[in-house]
Amino acid sequence: GEDVEQSLFLSVREGDSSVINCTYTDSSSTYLYWYKQEPGAGLQLLTYIFSNMDMKQDQRLTVLLNKKDKHLSLRIADTQTGDSAIYFCAEQRTGAGSYQLTFGKGTKLSVIP
Amino acid sequence: EPEVTQTPSHQVTQMGQEVILRCVPISNHLYFYWYRQILGQKVEFLVSFYNNEISEKSEIFDDQFSVERPDGSNFTLKIRSTKLEDSAMYFCASSPRWTEAFFGQGTRLTVV
Repeated sequence: GEDVEQSLFLSVREGDSSVINCTYTDSSSTYLYWYKQEPGAGLQLLTYIFSNMDMKQDQRLTVLLNKKDKHLSLRIADTQTGDSAIYFCAEQRTGAGSYQLTFGKGTKLSVIP
Repeated sequence: EPEVTQTPSHQVTQMGQEVILRCVPISNHLYFYWYRQILGQKVEFLVSFYNNEISEKSEIFDDQFSVERPDGSNFTLKIRSTKLEDSAMYFCASSPRWTEAFFGQGTRLTVV
């Protein structure tokens, strides 16, 4: 596809795991990112993964990368109400000095107490 | 923790007026960016800046837009003659290398 795609909404119960999925466009993209945006705030860099990796874990966050399917996921373990936010997937296609990020539309995560 | 700061948080301007959006990147970062997000749409790349010059710009970044790093600490985006469709949230970002961009909280520009 031509776009970075994400589902728009996800609702989970507090304490459960959340999995946010993303498909990206370019199998040669070098870096893939997850950003979090809380209401009224900027984009907070959560984590990123280099394309030669399959998985990256950082405390409650696990990123899985399937390059063959161009699929990226973010798993949040033990989801808390403070995790309620919009989560953006972004790819960084590299080549010819291009550093720009291409974002998905964002997935709004709602955590039910 | 160091952060990117943007001012003002909200700017209202009349169509045709010039606006300058200001950003203070993280101090040891070398790459600087502007992105924008029109309400309900994706975050879009505008421009990147490195070594005192534009390194990349998108189709959106036409002659109405310019960027400057006037004093080694600030990074500004100027829109020369604003249009209604320029209304958006504008995000500044910086990075120590070409990866790991850190974003500011954004400036909401409303053109009336």
